[in-house]
Amino acid sequence: DAGVIQSPRHEVTEMGQEVTLRCKPISGHNSLFWYRQTMMRGLELLIYFNNNVPIDDSGMPEDRFSAKMPNASFSTLKIQPSEPRDSAVYFCASSLESGGAQPQHFGDGTRLSIL
Amino acid sequence: EDKVVQSPLSLVVHEGDTVTLNCSYEVTNFRSLLWYKQEKKAPTFLFMLTSSGIEKKSGRLSSILDKKELFSILNITATQTGDSAIYLCAVEANTGNQFYFGTGTSLTVIP
Repeated sequence: DAGVIQSPRHEVTEMGQEVTLRCKPISGHNSLFWYRQTMMRGLELLIYFNNNVPIDDSGMPEDRFSAKMPNASFSTLKIQPSEPRDSAVYFCASSLESGGAQPQHFGDGTRLSIL
Repeated sequence: EDKVVQSPLSLVVHEGDTVTLNCSYEVTNFRSLLWYKQEKKAPTFLFMLTSSGIEKKSGRLSSILDKKELFSILNITATQTGDSAIYLCAVEANTGNQFYFGTGTSLTVIP
């Protein structure tokens, strides 16, 4: 079974550039989560969607960050303009919200470096 | 404020030792507690706990939840170098499918 697929795996770009991270959740999962992981702060939830609708974006650092989920099989996280402090590993995870507790399944992450 | 606290932050042991990792939480509308293992890439799911006192076991790993005292432990017996990883604890809240992660325990197993 295909897991959560993220692209690109690595991204190196100069500050000020726009960065777009992509995620394909596991087929049939109806919840999708974007996380950022750094050594200093650990794993932080940025935003999550349920049935393609953003439920909680309180973790999004600032207006430079935006996320969309146009359909059940695709989501993007965009940073514009990017800054060096955005450097981190960005994970996408999905789960099946069905009224009972279900674990999240993570993608391999995108390692983002902003120079 | 909802939070999940893990301890210790890091741990170095020798192969064959037994380790206990701790996770305490303060989360409104608790639904479940999850343990993940993270090596070089994505966290991989280990256990989900929803009921107090019922041990979940997988090989040398086991975990139990205490919903009265609001904590969980993850035990690893006869540790191996392949157990070296960051172990993450997460608590799921009923309100809107929210997950709260601890900062993790970094375990290093020395041959």
